[in-house]
Amino acid sequence: DAMVIQNPRYQVTQFGKPVTLSCSQTLNHNVMYWYQQKSSQAPKLLFHYYDKDFNNEADTPDNFQSRRPNTSFCFLDIRSPGLGDAAMYLCATSREAGSYEQYFGPGTRLTVT
Amino acid sequence: AQSVTQLGSHVSVSEGALVLLRCNYSSSVPPYLFWYVQYPNQGLQLLLKYTTGATLVKGINGFEAEFKKSETSFHLTKPSAHMSDAAEYFCAVTLGTSYDKVIFGPGTSLSVIP
Repeated sequence: DAMVIQNPRYQVTQFGKPVTLSCSQTLNHNVMYWYQQKSSQAPKLLFHYYDKDFNNEADTPDNFQSRRPNTSFCFLDIRSPGLGDAAMYLCATSREAGSYEQYFGPGTRLTVT
Repeated sequence: AQSVTQLGSHVSVSEGALVLLRCNYSSSVPPYLFWYVQYPNQGLQLLLKYTTGATLVKGINGFEAEFKKSETSFHLTKPSAHMSDAAEYFCAVTLGTSYDKVIFGPGTSLSVIP
């Protein structure tokens, strides 16, 4: 089945230790998104790629970076995780931007110790 | 700029009772509207969407929603709640152009009482 895959499902990192979360998709969608979701809150868009074009949200901290080496893969790098970065990180894709629905992966729950 | 409000951060219904989750939006032009469901420790899954055309939209798992432009609402309903419907529900809106992001509402947590 076509899907969005996130690895790992659970990630523990230490304060200040860089961490990378990965996302892959078999849907061949043009757009890939990274969201941060904290407990009992709506997902918050960090950035998205339209094909190779990177779009950063104005309020996304510089501590968060992303890479999309090809259509299928997208990575979220947190350069120096703080305690406040503990959250669920959701990857999503859509065929195109705009009115198309988004397909979400199962998420990676990040714990910062 | 568009926005979404969901009345009631938590809703409880009895099994077999009507489910009604409220969503109101603010937009300067007719938006595209979505309802997503999120089960614990999972990603979001699309329940249904409204783009154009028929204002009553049917989705998966017996859910439906009606777009009411005059009320700027897109409430989600299901005639008979099932235990498996317990989850977080998010209403979302976008203007639909390539540079418009999707705005999610704050979410409503649905509990189903046996």
